[in-house]
Amino acid sequence: QSVLTQPPSASGTPGQRVTISCSGSSSNIGTNYVYWYQQRPGTAPKLLIYTNDQRPSGVPDRFSGSKSGSSASLAISGLRSEDEAYYYCAVWDDSLSGLFGGGTKVTVL
Amino acid sequence: QVQLVESGGGVVQPGRSLRLSCTASGFTFSGNALHWVRQAPGKGLEWVAVISYDGSNQFYADSVKGRFTISRDNSKNTLYLQLNALREEDTAVYSCARGTSVSSQWMKRLNLDRWGQGTLVTVSS
Repeated sequence: QSVLTQPPSASGTPGQRVTISCSGSSSNIGTNYVYWYQQRPGTAPKLLIYTNDQRPSGVPDRFSGSKSGSSASLAISGLRSEDEAYYYCAVWDDSLSGLFGGGTKVTVL
Repeated sequence: QVQLVESGGGVVQPGRSLRLSCTASGFTFSGNALHWVRQAPGKGLEWVAVISYDGSNQFYADSVKGRFTISRDNSKNTLYLQLNALREEDTAVYSCARGTSVSSQWMKRLNLDRWGQGTLVTVSS
C-alpha cells in the first residue's frame, strides 16, 4: 500500500472533465513539489506535470495540476479516447526517498 | 535524440546478485541526476534510487536500502544498479530515467523526462 493515496479508477465520457486526487502528508506533498505521469499499456511513463502545475512542452493544456496542503490533483478536461491510461503522482518524501502513488486507471466510456 | 537503454536483466535465484546497466546518448550525461524506477508485473511504479550528476550522492527506497547500489560512470555515459541479496518481491521491470539538471535540491525534483524501455528481473528458485 502506497504512502501516496490515489483512487484506483476514474472514468468519463468524451469531452467530460475527470479529476484524480493524490493524498499524502506533511513530509511529502505538504513540503515538496508534485509530479504527474501518464502510462499507457506497454509503454514508458510520460511526464505530464512538474512542480505542481507546470506542463512540459508538448503536453496539451487539457491537463492541469494543482496542490493544496498535503493533497494534489490532476484534472483532464475535454476527455479524449487517447487519455485512457494509468496516471501516477510522484513526490519526494523528507525521509529521503522518492514516492509514487498507487496509480489511477482512467477509462473513457 | 535522447536515448536510455537498459540491459542486464534475467532470471536469478533468491539471494543472488545481478548488475543492471543503462547506457545513455543524445544529451550531456554528466549534467543530470539519474533514477531507477521499477514496476512489478501488473503493479504500479515504485521509485528505487537516485544518484547525483557527479555520482557523489545517492538515495534509496527503504525496500532496497542496504541491498542495492546505484552508481554511474560519466566517462562511459552509463548508469548502474547493483542488486544484491535478491528477493522474489524484487521481480520487476527496472527502468532508468533522466532526472533534473537543476543543482538546487536536485534529489527532490522528480521530473523524469526521459525513460528507457526497461529490463526484466525475475527472482525465482
